[in-house]
Amino acid sequence: GENVEQHPSTLSVQEGDSAVIKCTYSDSASNYFPWYKQELGKGPQLIIDIRSNVGEKKDQRIAVTLNKTAKHFSLHITETQPEDSAVYFCAVTSNDYKLSFGAGTTVTVRA
Amino acid sequence: NAGVTQTPKFQVLKTGQSMTLQCAQDMNHNSMYWYRQDPGMGLRLIYYSASEGTTDKGEVPNGYNVSRLNKREFSLRLESAAPSQTSVYFCAGQRGQGRTDTQYFGPGTRLTVL
Repeated sequence: GENVEQHPSTLSVQEGDSAVIKCTYSDSASNYFPWYKQELGKGPQLIIDIRSNVGEKKDQRIAVTLNKTAKHFSLHITETQPEDSAVYFCAVTSNDYKLSFGAGTTVTVRA
Repeated sequence: NAGVTQTPKFQVLKTGQSMTLQCAQDMNHNSMYWYRQDPGMGLRLIYYSASEGTTDKGEVPNGYNVSRLNKREFSLRLESAAPSQTSVYFCAGQRGQGRTDTQYFGPGTRLTVL
């Protein structure tokens, strides 16, 4: 599978502040970049995705930006709330049409 | 719609025992996947089925077998469980095999091999 690096591995933010998670990938032909949120004891759930023909996508408090030249994309969460506490995974499609995942970021929102 | 369901939720095995993890989806997905999740390693693909009647190996297939019983069901079998197979297993479904199709995950099976 493709090599996907995700940083940071843990992130603690004060409620109301912003959180940013970054991922880099290796295959320049990749064109689909989803983000998943996993709450404790549950399966990953898609929260937002972006395709390579778009540089930015926003959905309420979450946004994703993509820089295809540099091969990196980021998840931005604004006005964080306690329910944003979870593990977040980035993913990328590889040439063989399968998803490759980052190692995950544990986000903790402090009240 | 139940989405993607998995059974059992928890399982404890002894080394050498066998078991089958079940997955079913009612979203009319053509493609189905089995992943394992280990701390600090994200999700790694074990096997997948692009369509009914086909299966292919993923990144970490050793020690596992799969069966795509019909369009709805995709099972994962451990013939002789090993402690290294202690993990959380997730099944996922996808409408097609397109590079931009979303995968939907089940709730997972937490497996411990003693």
